[in-house]
Formats: sequence, structure tokens, C-alpha cells
Amino acid sequence: AQKVTQAQTEISVVEKEDVTLDCVYETRDTTYYLFWYKQPPSGELVFLIRRNSFDEQNEISGRYSWNFQKSTSSFNFTITASQVVDSAVYFCALSGTSGGSNYKLTFGKGTLLTVNP
Amino acid sequence: GAVVSQHPSRVICKSGTSVKIECRSLDFQATTMFWYRQFPKQSLMLMATSNEGSKATYEQGVEKDKFLINHASLTLSTLTVTSAHPEDSSFYICSARAGWNEQFFGPGTRLTVL
Repeated sequence: AQKVTQAQTEISVVEKEDVTLDCVYETRDTTYYLFWYKQPPSGELVFLIRRNSFDEQNEISGRYSWNFQKSTSSFNFTITASQVVDSAVYFCALSGTSGGSNYKLTFGKGTLLTVNP
Repeated sequence: GAVVSQHPSRVICKSGTSVKIECRSLDFQATTMFWYRQFPKQSLMLMATSNEGSKATYEQGVEKDKFLINHASLTLSTLTVTSAHPEDSSFYICSARAGWNEQFFGPGTRLTVL
């Protein structure tokens, strides 16, 4: 069975602070995908990143960066110089890599990030 | 990126009625679509996997007869909530798979059952 744990339920920061959202996963699959999604108040999920399990390179995209540590089964997400528009619920998710239903996503419970001006 | 639409975006219905939600992939063909449900301030929970031309695969605890899923074409899947009750009120989100595990989400449908 797959499981994603986002231990931080809510985080509140002041604008321009850096913030890291934690994600720990469990899976028996040898290959898998990890994702991060943003869900603003409108409800629509916004795709942020997909990472294949055999690619442990960290990634940076503008103010966003991701740290994938296979040894600790973690895929943490850092927002640098946070902005009010970053306020949203962020979900970490996990899927398999083969077969139709194996692509289904297992989501963590989400972290509500509030960035105050 | 690919676009997935859902219709309606919001629906209010009376208890006991049935509601159909459509999920369409607008610019790509999706052999697999997924239906998720999200209760307020909670995570997304997969309800079922919908494959074009075959029966949907439901997750444990999801009633097949209550949540009817049809995937009649490569661009359309429908979820029908039959005999809806207030406890079915939720945010329903579909996603469509394109290519190699690229999943694109629809904007969601907020169902309120009175």
C-alpha cells in the first residue's frame, strides 16, 4: 500500500520568509512518481512538479525548489521569499509507474500555507 | 499543457435526485480518467479509475451502484451520483491521463445536496 504523510497541517509565515513543506512517503514499488500540487481557494489543482524515483537530482524553478532524498523517503518543497499569492493548500502525491490503475495518485493530507503581508 | 473541463462547476440538488458530472479532455485523448472526492479541508480521495470502453475500477468503500461511472469515449467520462443525499455533498475532481503518467486535473464540481 502507498502512503504519503504531510505532518505540517498549517504553516503561517510573513511575506519574504522562506518556507519548507515536508513530505514523507511509503511504497513497496521500486519505481514510482512523486508530485506536488497547489490548491488555491478556487479549488483547482495546479501541477507544480513530477519526479521519477530514479532521478534524485534536486530541482529549482524560480522561487520553488524540491529536495528528493530517497534514503529517507522524503520529497520536501521549499518556497524562497514567499509571497501572499503563495497562500494555498499544497499536496504531495505518489503514484506507481505501470498499469492503468497504478497511475492513480495517493495524496497526502495537505499543508495549508498562509503568507501574511 | 492539456486541458480538462468539468461540467457543471457547481450544482445544488434536492435529496433523492441524481446528478451527472461530465469530465472532458479537450485537446487530447485519455484512455484513463480518475475520479476523486474532496471533503472540506481534507485531502483528495480516489473514488474510481475509469478506462475507456470497460467497467470502472472502484476503490474500497465506494459504492458502485451509487456512483455510476461511464467512460464512453476517449475524451469523456461521466460520474452520476444516484439518489444523492446530504452526505454526498463534496467537491468532485476528475483527472485525465495523457501519455506517460501525465495527469491533468479538471477544475472540480462542487455538489451540494439539500
